[in-house]
Amino acid sequence: GAVVSQHPSWVICKSGTSVKIECRSLDFQATTMFWYRQFPKQSLMLMATSNEGSKATYEQGVEKDKFLINHASLTLSTLTVTSAHPEDSSFYICSARPPRVKETQYFGPGTRLLVL
Amino acid sequence: RKEVEQDPGPFNVPEGATVAFNCTYSNSASQSFFWYRQDCRKEPKLLMSVYSSGNEDGRFTAQLNRASQYISLLIRDSKLSDSATYLCVVNPPPPQRPDKLIFGTGTRLQVFP
Repeated sequence: GAVVSQHPSWVICKSGTSVKIECRSLDFQATTMFWYRQFPKQSLMLMATSNEGSKATYEQGVEKDKFLINHASLTLSTLTVTSAHPEDSSFYICSARPPRVKETQYFGPGTRLLVL
Repeated sequence: RKEVEQDPGPFNVPEGATVAFNCTYSNSASQSFFWYRQDCRKEPKLLMSVYSSGNEDGRFTAQLNRASQYISLLIRDSKLSDSATYLCVVNPPPPQRPDKLIFGTGTRLQVFP
């Protein structure tokens, strides 16, 4: 199946710093990628849809200025958590949908963020 | 009401047992339905799509009941390796984008020897 990678797999940072997470589709081009967040014992929540060459679409309640998304190429989307705080500690997962595949999304392995 | 609801479990079953999970969804116009599997601290992986006529993949059978707005997953002959969290996932109707997925909180299955 299609492969999606994420980097880094985990990160620990101090409160107030910014953290960038990369999501890459390794063997296909993705015009659309998705960013999710999952808190312990909770469901994956879609944060935003990343569109290649245009602005991301954010879900209600997600701050655009705090979670910056850049989808500069057909194989790479980045999520930057700006001025991270302890409440931003979570499991961040990206996904991508291969072309001509109607429904399935392939997920990256996720990035665990811990803000101290 | 949550868009997708699941019993969180855990369901503790012995190897070889048959176990079934249900999931309910709130929007009757939802388009597509899936079961994903998520291992601890890992990403979700697609287990199977759920079709109106029901579908089977080896030991796994998925059913959809649109009238009652629920989806089920049946696992026969449980293996230790089936231990995971099973996520019910729904594709909502317009005006939401067609590739958006809404996840349930998952049902945890623990298979013991």
